[in-house]
Amino acid sequence: EIMMTQSPATLSVSPGERATLSCWASQSVSSNLGWYQQKPGQAPRLLIYGTSTRATGIPARFSGGGSGTEFTLTISSLQSEDFAVYYCQQYDKWPLTFGGGTKVEIK
Amino acid sequence: EVQLLESGGGLLQPGGSLRLSCAASGITFSNYAMCWVRRAPGTGPEWVSSISNSGDTTAYADSVKGRFTISRDNSKNTLYLQMNSLRVDDTAVYYCVKRVTARGGAFEIWGQGTMVTVSA
Repeated sequence: EIMMTQSPATLSVSPGERATLSCWASQSVSSNLGWYQQKPGQAPRLLIYGTSTRATGIPARFSGGGSGTEFTLTISSLQSEDFAVYYCQQYDKWPLTFGGGTKVEIK
Repeated sequence: EVQLLESGGGLLQPGGSLRLSCAASGITFSNYAMCWVRRAPGTGPEWVSSISNSGDTTAYADSVKGRFTISRDNSKNTLYLQMNSLRVDDTAVYYCVKRVTARGGAFEIWGQGTMVTVSA
């Protein structure tokens, strides 16, 4: 099983600031990496797939990068609606696995 | 607009069975792989099972293998999850998810979820 590790667990950021979230895979997942945003009481929403492709309707302030085993999600200028929990996920090999999440909170 | 509407959740005792359904609209259902993902209280998402667009390929998490069965009826635009021998640790919100491609890809569209509670 590929283990996904996210860091930090919590990120305190002021609105307008830049946030960088990290995700590591225990073995290469090629570019088969997605990022999801989840808010309380809501289903997760796909932000990024294929490591760096924004999903439909996702603002350009969200960007993804990396390859192999190391990945990042960057939010260039945090808006109030961006405070949420973010999960990375590999879909390269079964079982498909998620990271433990990074909570982005208001500083 | 793409919509995935889950149903079939409920409260039941350990050892019981339940079948979840997911009705899809706004997409050509037969073109996409689908899956089920669950989220237990206080935890992150956990992939449960996937099925290819034609239904010829399925996969399961070890935690549900041998107890859960995923299937689909493309003529009815509906995805199913038959859950048998339910355990307390199967308690979760279960989400129906459309994947990006016919064989897999990221988890593109999520339903709102249906709650399954297994308790003695």
